[in-house]
Amino acid sequence: DTEVTQTPKHLVMGMTNKKSLKCEQHMGHRAMYWYKQKAKKPPELMFVYSYEKLSINESVPSRFSPECPNSSLLNLHLHALQPEDSALYLCASSQEGTGVVLGYTFGSGTRLTVV
Amino acid sequence: QKEVEQNSGPLSVPEGAIASLNCTYSDRGSQSFFWYRQYSGKSPELIMSIYSNGDKEDGRFTAQLNKASQYVSLLIRDSQPSDSATYLCAVNRAGDKIIFGKGTRLHILP
Repeated sequence: DTEVTQTPKHLVMGMTNKKSLKCEQHMGHRAMYWYKQKAKKPPELMFVYSYEKLSINESVPSRFSPECPNSSLLNLHLHALQPEDSALYLCASSQEGTGVVLGYTFGSGTRLTVV
Repeated sequence: QKEVEQNSGPLSVPEGAIASLNCTYSDRGSQSFFWYRQYSGKSPELIMSIYSNGDKEDGRFTAQLNKASQYVSLLIRDSQPSDSATYLCAVNRAGDKIIFGKGTRLHILP
């Protein structure tokens, strides 16, 4: 299994809703990531989990709340989002390297629209 | 100076020719360099990684790294229409971070 699976593929939510994005990998990777990508822009790092612990938070607003229940799962909980949060949310995973970052495997993404 | 810079294009290349994509980076401490291909509406796909100076070849793709010049390039030989996509250069920063350039749109002309 060499895939990162993200669900749902599409999500439309109101600004008062609470929803969650889910990411799953079974490659034994110990680092998992959330990126946000707006149209015609590069992916922007949001969070990094290393060995199930949050290691990097790129000053993301608290309306985005990550969770790593186990080494295979990564969630992103969404609450009180704004229309400008509409984007493609990408999950990625990688093997932990020793001083050298190895390449990521990306999931297919969740296309989020906030109305 | 942006951390990872690429010409946004579009770069138009005739089918069968060599496409050359370039990228510069600002952090001299970076050790890992990547090229991702992204089709419209899809997620990025890793096509090449390179960690040491010189060339690395994989099929029709060659990645080149020059750390002294802080320069990474990707050559695509025998370009095919299916190579038309946005190519993202990515570089690691201190800690477990990968930072992406804005990407170069490549258009292969049939």
